[in-house]
Amino acid sequence: TQLLEQSPQFLSIQEGENLTVYCNSSSVFSSLQWYRQEPGEGPVLLVTVVTGGEVKKLKRLTFQFGDARKDSSLHITAAQPGDTGLYLCAVYDRGSTLGRLYFGRGTQLTVWP
Amino acid sequence: EADIYQTPRYLVIGTGKKITLECSQTMGHDKMYWYQQDPGMELHLIHYSYGVNSTEKGDLSSESTVSRIRTEHFPLTLESARPSHTSQYLCASSEWFGTRGNEQFFGPGTRLTVL
Repeated sequence: TQLLEQSPQFLSIQEGENLTVYCNSSSVFSSLQWYRQEPGEGPVLLVTVVTGGEVKKLKRLTFQFGDARKDSSLHITAAQPGDTGLYLCAVYDRGSTLGRLYFGRGTQLTVWP
Repeated sequence: EADIYQTPRYLVIGTGKKITLECSQTMGHDKMYWYQQDPGMELHLIHYSYGVNSTEKGDLSSESTVSRIRTEHFPLTLESARPSHTSQYLCASSEWFGTRGNEQFFGPGTRLTVL
């Protein structure tokens, strides 16, 4: 059983379109992170959300943490080819002294010019 | 910018060979991690380290071993590679405490193919 369910698994759109991807769980989390992984590279942190209902914006990207802190969404406005990549959500296990992260399987986004 | 490096970036080897995947970071982070990533699957933690001389196995059973003799260096070794080891291997590090203690910085990965 996956801790984090990401949807859709694949998304292929034209430049200029808007899109939303989701990260869902049945568990409550103290925080949630979104990473983007470009081809041939490792994941890079985009944002951390910590408060239920929190909305954070990063240029054309809008991140929202669900009120119950069980889910999150990422909305991209006017997508560009440079947004192409694998978008991963991850949650932090505060119960572990390691501070480990659990990742979802990701949404593979392709934006065509 | 993250300063974490992995070599080689790509490796194609035959079955039975011994290999070492290198990972180094210049950020002084105590915590380091090795993940295995396959297409359409979540990142699986295979090894981690709290600091020098500290190593532990992660969730995913792995036939690899790691060492942490220096803070900046966390190599992963496969004594006898098999086709089932074919995968992308990602190294990461993070601070022990602080506001960014749960942000992990990743290297570019090593794509391993065992024939």
